[in-house]
Amino acid sequence: DQQVKQNSPSLSVQEGRISILNCDYTNSMFDYFLWYKKYPAEGPTFLISISSIKDKNEDGRFTVFLNKSAKHLSLHIVPSQPGDSAVYFCAASGRVTGGGNKLTFGTGTQLKVEL
Amino acid sequence: GAVVSQHPSWVICKSGTSVKIECRSLDFQATTMFWYRQFPKQSLMLMATSNEGSKATYEQGVEKDKFLINHASLTLSTLTVTSAHPEDSSFYICSGSAGSSYNEQFFGPGTRLTVL
Repeated sequence: DQQVKQNSPSLSVQEGRISILNCDYTNSMFDYFLWYKKYPAEGPTFLISISSIKDKNEDGRFTVFLNKSAKHLSLHIVPSQPGDSAVYFCAASGRVTGGGNKLTFGTGTQLKVEL
Repeated sequence: GAVVSQHPSWVICKSGTSVKIECRSLDFQATTMFWYRQFPKQSLMLMATSNEGSKATYEQGVEKDKFLINHASLTLSTLTVTSAHPEDSSFYICSGSAGSSYNEQFFGPGTRLTVL
């Protein structure tokens, strides 16, 4: 049962343009969402997060939007740079019993930013 | 961010043998460590959560007698895959957390296990 889904396995964008990565979730108990970036042979690194009490969080070139009614979030990267090429994972968590800071990950989207 | 290392980065073993993977937090004390498994084209699946000095909490469907987790210190956790079989071949990633905030979880580079 995949509770966090990233339906696009890959995305290709030109340098300087906007990259939009999408993520859908099914568990309404999730109340915190994160995006991680992963390069080959490295572990995921935290990028940006958003609480369910917000609908937008911005950090430099990265903005995450949350639509709770649609159970959908998206990561916008603008302008995209070649160094942004990586796999991006969406993750979710919730303060369910024993949850703590356990994360449920999506399957990832491979972003390629072309020159 | 803080650094988490894993050793080995890749390992090949014969079916029926046991393999130990180490996860170390190099510059912080990880009160909680998590172990994930990732199959090709799939997401990171949480296997277990361990707090220093106590028994690990395993996710549903994960055999605790097969995947032995030890978190003996605040900087070291180990995952031992016992009696490994080819279906255990996967990418194993650990993460360490020093606090209760979600974005304080730092990931290791992962270990590629191949069981022949």
